[in-house]
Amino acid sequence: AQSVTQLDSHVSVSEGTPVLLRCNYSSSYSPSLFWYVQHPNKGLQLLLKYTSAATLVKGINGFEAEFKKSETSFHLTKPSAHMSDAAEYFCVVSVWNQGGKLIFGQGTELSVKP
Amino acid sequence: EAGVAQSPRYKIIEKRQSVAFWCNPISGHATLYWYQQILGQGPKLLIQFQNNGVVDDSQLPKDRFSAERLKGVDSTLKIQPAKLEDSAVYLCASSSLTGGAGGYTFGSGTRLTVV
Repeated sequence: AQSVTQLDSHVSVSEGTPVLLRCNYSSSYSPSLFWYVQHPNKGLQLLLKYTSAATLVKGINGFEAEFKKSETSFHLTKPSAHMSDAAEYFCVVSVWNQGGKLIFGQGTELSVKP
Repeated sequence: EAGVAQSPRYKIIEKRQSVAFWCNPISGHATLYWYQQILGQGPKLLIQFQNNGVVDDSQLPKDRFSAERLKGVDSTLKIQPAKLEDSAVYLCASSSLTGGAGGYTFGSGTRLTVV
């Protein structure tokens, strides 16, 4: 069965320092993986997606993620955090053999200190 | 293009009452999903439609939840009777292709509070 595990429920960084949000996945098939961001009282916004092309995926707002099959990981990174990055981040796997439904991780809350 | 429209944005009801949510997907999107997001958790799929047929409703509490997608466009999700644990944000998403290959677009959600 497909699943994702976000290894940190909360991450706190200082503005201008790197961001690392960790995600491990489990999938019987070649997975499609996504990172979504959710700001308070806002909808889900797609940051980036991996669909079996390049393993290093660049997304919006300076975020990127690297697909590592050997480690079953898809960690999200950003070189320099901004205050506006404070939000909830979800790692997501798509279950292609079940109509493409999305399975979400539990989420990681990112706090950015001035 | 217009996004996925959901209404209402907020709803407060008493337990045992009924409630309905409405979703209008992006024009031409064949696949429609309803997700439930309980506070502090990731969204969980309730039901998936392909046109007007149900693809997956394995996690829909069918004793109280129902959903339909007449004519393969708009969809409604109903809860009757509501319980306290149904308090959550209900998200609608649509996709242009089977399996989400065309990408997913989420609506802003309906926040339900059951008191």
